[in-house]
Amino acid sequence: GAVVSQHPSWVICKSGTSVKIECRSLDFQATTMFWYRQFPKQSLMLMATSNEGSKATYEQGVEKDKFLINHASLTLSTLTVTSAHPEDSSFYICSARAGQFDTQYFGPGTRLTVL
Amino acid sequence: AQKVTQAQTEISVVEKEDVTLDCVYETRDTTYYLFWYKQPPSGELVFLIRRNSFDEQNEISGRYSWNFQKSTSSFNFTITASQVVDSAVYFCALSEPYYGNNRLAFGKGNQVVVIP
Repeated sequence: GAVVSQHPSWVICKSGTSVKIECRSLDFQATTMFWYRQFPKQSLMLMATSNEGSKATYEQGVEKDKFLINHASLTLSTLTVTSAHPEDSSFYICSARAGQFDTQYFGPGTRLTVL
Repeated sequence: AQKVTQAQTEISVVEKEDVTLDCVYETRDTTYYLFWYKQPPSGELVFLIRRNSFDEQNEISGRYSWNFQKSTSSFNFTITASQVVDSAVYFCALSEPYYGNNRLAFGKGNQVVVIP
């Protein structure tokens, strides 16, 4: 149980385009999902908390207009990187809380490369 | 201030050796939760263990064991008889329900390299 999927697993796009990443909880419902960003050889940095049916809560320094989050259902949250630039290239990982003690389970990640 | 400290960045061991990863945390919450995750080269974070602050029992799961010492704010992880498949980055994380809004604060990770 507690499986989280992400799609796509990798994406290459041109500068200025927008990219949408999906995060799905496959065998449970998640009212709260999280989006992280990870640079090479670094730890995970929380970008935002995605709440089903309400606006996402962004961490300090994360541009909400740049990283649009939508949590339209109890099993799906999406992150859209708008007008992507090379500095947005990174590994994006989502997670969802599950189980009695709200443990976070992570998706496999999406590697974004902006040319 | 760093809430979770993992001092050793990279650790190399020869297969079958034991390896211990140190994790020291800092919190103002009286109830909190500690985690260890494994991130293999594929990138996916794999949940290993969760420990509640009110449960100081140590735990063993196969070749993995965890030592929780509330008095020293440490939650150390030992891999016994390491194998090549154990090569990964291991993250310790802290969840604070009150002061941290249940968000996970990660340490910088320990890169474990098991040499065959």
